[in-house]
Amino acid sequence: EIVLTQSPGTLSLSPGERATLSCRASQSVSSNYLAWYQQKPGQAPRLLIYDASSRAPGIPDRFSGSGSGTDFTLTISRLEPEDFAVYYCQQYGNSPFTFGPGTTVDIK
Amino acid sequence: EVQLVESGGGLVKPGGSLRLSCTASGFTSSYAWMSWVRQAPGKGLEWVGRIKSKSDGGTTDYAAPVKGRFTISRDDSQNTLYLQMNSLKAEDTAVYYCTRGYYSMSGNCYYWGQGTLVTVSS
Repeated sequence: EIVLTQSPGTLSLSPGERATLSCRASQSVSSNYLAWYQQKPGQAPRLLIYDASSRAPGIPDRFSGSGSGTDFTLTISRLEPEDFAVYYCQQYGNSPFTFGPGTTVDIK
Repeated sequence: EVQLVESGGGLVKPGGSLRLSCTASGFTSSYAWMSWVRQAPGKGLEWVGRIKSKSDGGTTDYAAPVKGRFTISRDDSQNTLYLQMNSLKAEDTAVYYCTRGYYSMSGNCYYWGQGTLVTVSS
């Protein structure tokens, strides 16, 4: 099973700042099948990025994904107030699929 | 518009069983690979398992904590996905989501249901 490690656990930033979230896999993710999700309290998660770097429909271009193999990054270029949330990565290249533990982006 | 609606959650005693359903609409569900994801109260997301389309063999995969206890099945004539949960434990307490990928045969989760709460407690 591929274990995903996300860092940092919490990121405290101000609106307008840049956020860089990391997701590291214990082994190479097949075909770079890596997704990023945003979750706000009381809501189902929302898919932001799939296949490591493709933005899902309707996702603002301030969200971008990069990386390959075992190291992946989600970047939010300029934080908007609605971006403060928990972010999860998921690999779906190797069964069983797995999620990372999440990174909380909160307001500094 | 794609919709996924889960049902069947509730309170069950340890060792008991429960079957969740997920009714899909807005797409041809028989072609889609479908997954279940759960989230324990205050915790992160946990992938539970996936079923491929019948045309891709209808095979299933499960996370280690539920393998041998949970079974995913589908009734494409009813556009319905099921999660049969047996030998339930307290640690199975969670909101269970039915999901579908951005592409029909993708393992990511673009479409989500509203979730159904399963509570395992005596």
